Formats: sequence, structure tokens, C-alpha cells
Amino acid sequence: DVVMTQSPLSLPVTLGQPASISCRSSQSLVHSDGNSYLNWFQQRPGQSPRRLIYNVYNRDSGVPDRFSGSGSGTDFTLKISRVEAEDVGVYYCMQGTHWPPITFGQGTRLEIK
Amino acid sequence: EVQLVESGGGLVQPGGSLRLSCAASGFTFSSYWMSWVRQAPGKGLEWVANIKQDGSEKYYVDSVKGRFTISRDNAKNSLYLQMNSLRAEDTAVYYCARERAASGWGQGTLVTVSS
Repeated sequence: DVVMTQSPLSLPVTLGQPASISCRSSQSLVHSDGNSYLNWFQQRPGQSPRRLIYNVYNRDSGVPDRFSGSGSGTDFTLKISRVEAEDVGVYYCMQGTHWPPITFGQGTRLEIK
Repeated sequence: EVQLVESGGGLVQPGGSLRLSCAASGFTFSSYWMSWVRQAPGKGLEWVANIKQDGSEKYYVDSVKGRFTISRDNAKNSLYLQMNSLRAEDTAVYYCARERAASGWGQGTLVTVSS
């Protein structure tokens, strides 16, 4: 199984400042079709998860452009250019390249300082 | 707009059974893989199972193989999860999600396995 490791697990950020979350996979997420199936999700307190980014860097509809995804191979990053109060929650990476099973990272809790 | 509404959760004793349902709307249900993902209280997300568009392929996480069965009814735009031989560690909120990449999620239904 592919193990997804996120860091940090807790991320205190000042409003208006940038934030960055790392996600590393135990093996390359490059699929034989050339895509890398690495997705990012946001789960606000008391809500269901919501997908933000798919296939490393593609933003989902309605996702603010302050969210961006990057990376390749085994190292991936979710960046928020300027954190807003509504960004508080837990962020998860998920790989869908080598499945089953589909696997998630442990989650990173973003809070406002 | 993608809408997924789960139902069927509740309190069940260890060894018991439950059947979860997910009603889909706002998209062509029969065109998508569908998934179940769960979240134990205070914990992270765990993929449970998924099913191909026509139901011909089904995959499960090892911990539920032989106990859970995923199915779908495209005529009713519905996804199901039959859960048998439930254990305390199956206690979680169960989410229905569109496709393997989870592009849409329901609100979840809570399953509690306890005596």
C-alpha cells in the first residue's frame, strides 16, 4: 500500500500570511498514463470534506485561486497564498494512482494564530 | 450541482448488520465510479470501497473484505453499502463520494457499533 505522509500535522498561521502543507508518498505517484493522481481536500469544522485540487495542480470549480498545488513524483505541496479565517480546518492529501487501496494522508490541522 | 445524501446509519451491536444508502442527483450517476469513505470519531479519512459505473468491478480496503458489500442501482441513482459482522472499529461517519477522486461528498451518516 502507498503510505501518504503529511507535514506539519498542525499549522498555526497568521491571517493574511501564506501557508504550505507537504505530502510525501512512499512511491512515485506517476501513473502509466502519465498523470499523477494526487488530490487535496479541505474539511472545515463540522463539515464534510471538499476537494480543492485534483491531479496535483488542477483547482476544482469554485476554489479560490489563493489555493495552489504543486509537486511531482513523491513530493507534493498545497499552498495558500494568504490565509483567511474560512480556511481553518483539516487538509488531507489522497493518492489514486496505486489502488486499491486509495490512501489518504493523516491530515494537517490549520488554525489561526 | 452534485448532491449526495446518505442514510441508514445508526446504533448496532457488535456482529450486527446495517445497510447504508446514498441518493445521488445533479449529475449522470451511471457515468461515474462511486466510493464510500469513512471517518472514525476524531480521526482521519479512510477509503472503504468503490464500484465501477456498471457494477462490474468492486474494490475494498482489506479491513472490510468479506464483511461489506458495495452495490448500486443506476435506475434509482443510488449507491449502497451492506455492512455485516460489524465491529467496534467500524464506528465512523460514512461518506458517499463521487468517483474514485472524490469530486463530491455527501453529508455523511454515523454508524455506531456498541453493545
